Amino acid sequence: NAGVTQTPKFQVLKTGQSMTLQCAQDMNHEYMSWYRQDPGMGLRLIHYSVGAGITDQGEVPNGYNVSRSTTEDFPLRLLSAAPSQTSVYFCASIPTAGQGNGYTFGSGTRLTVV
Amino acid sequence: AQSVTQLGSHVSVSEGALVLLRCNYSSSVPPYLFWYVQYPNQGLQLLLKYTTGATLVKGINGFEAEFKKSETSFHLTKPSAHMSDAAEYFCAVSGGGTSYGKLTFGQGTILTVHP
Repeated sequence: NAGVTQTPKFQVLKTGQSMTLQCAQDMNHEYMSWYRQDPGMGLRLIHYSVGAGITDQGEVPNGYNVSRSTTEDFPLRLLSAAPSQTSVYFCASIPTAGQGNGYTFGSGTRLTVV
Repeated sequence: AQSVTQLGSHVSVSEGALVLLRCNYSSSVPPYLFWYVQYPNQGLQLLLKYTTGATLVKGINGFEAEFKKSETSFHLTKPSAHMSDAAEYFCAVSGGGTSYGKLTFGQGTILTVHP
């Protein structure tokens, strides 16, 4: 049981490049979310999904796209990378049943945009 | 709308001393409250949670927290700090129902434990 798997672990992009951060979970969780972590700001919600085919915006969605074609996968796309998107990105999942169990987090992707 | 404030971005204690990390929240609905711990270069691990029922909740590694509705607080405590407790700690809140998946985090508190 791998939990939540994020790839890559590290990435350097040039301004204007696009890329996709991958997230997969094998726990059959309905809810999945993407957060970014910046020093002194905690984690902020980018996008989330309550199930396959359903996504919604979080607190800081600009510059990011998501889709949820399967229960297992929830990729995050950076359309045109900017230095302000330099951050650590975490994917997380939680089952709908048993509310309040808390998210399971991936180990993160450290992204640097130069 | 919901928000979380963690009082003190850095807390330093001696090994064996009491650990107290403060968290205050605001929420327009009955909250679900969480404490997470993050060790360097790792993801977040759930320490404990409050949903309903008993207001004093116990978590892993000897930590506990008390939900005080009148004070809108959810402070994290541990009677005796260990060197391995050194990490960053995050308090988080979510609403119930369809909003429970939307966690709002505090800015984090870095705990340092001195020998």
